[in-house]
Amino acid sequence: RKEVEQDPGPFNVPEGATVAFNCTYSNSASQSFFWYRQDCRKEPKLLMSVYSSGNEDGRFTAQLNRASQYISLLIRDSKLSDSATYLCVVILNTGGFKTIFGAGTRLFVKA
Amino acid sequence: NAGVTQTPKFQVLKTGQSMTLQCAQDMNHNSMYWYRQDPGMGLRLIYYSASEGTTDKGEVPNGYNVSRLNKREFSLRLESAAPSQTSVYFCASSPTSGGSHTQYFGPGTRLTVL
Repeated sequence: RKEVEQDPGPFNVPEGATVAFNCTYSNSASQSFFWYRQDCRKEPKLLMSVYSSGNEDGRFTAQLNRASQYISLLIRDSKLSDSATYLCVVILNTGGFKTIFGAGTRLFVKA
Repeated sequence: NAGVTQTPKFQVLKTGQSMTLQCAQDMNHNSMYWYRQDPGMGLRLIYYSASEGTTDKGEVPNGYNVSRLNKREFSLRLESAAPSQTSVYFCASSPTSGGSHTQYFGPGTRLTVL
């Protein structure tokens, strides 16, 4: 089983739709969580950190469920410019820190 | 600030050739990383350097070597390229101080080994 798993998609949604992605992680030593965004043929960039209490940044909401070991990303009022691959990232603390990237979920927002 | 820079952007090699991928960051970060990204596989860590003067193997180190030349620069060397090393290579850096683990990536190097 992969340490971090995401539905690869693609998710095809119309502009204005709400879309949600989940990411599950297998190691209970997971300490920190992030969502990164990667545009086609570009480098990954930090979208947002994920806090235990949940957090919001404009149209984006991230949530963490430690008991079930998953994190989620909700995008409201989707824009064409949201089309990208969204990477779930988990930091393990096993004596040293280890960063694990999910394979990503592809999102296409169409007009 | 340029952030993280990588050279070259594209490279085609023949099997058995060697080359060095260069990476530099101007953010005074302690940690630097080399990843490869293949379709459907996500980013896989090749090597990392937690601080100047130290390097450690990641998930897929075979066939690669690294050098942390100074705090700014972290190079990746392929001694004898193989077709299985065809991939996109990303360098990243992270402050890893004050509890921050955010990684900042370079634009990537697209490598094809024939």
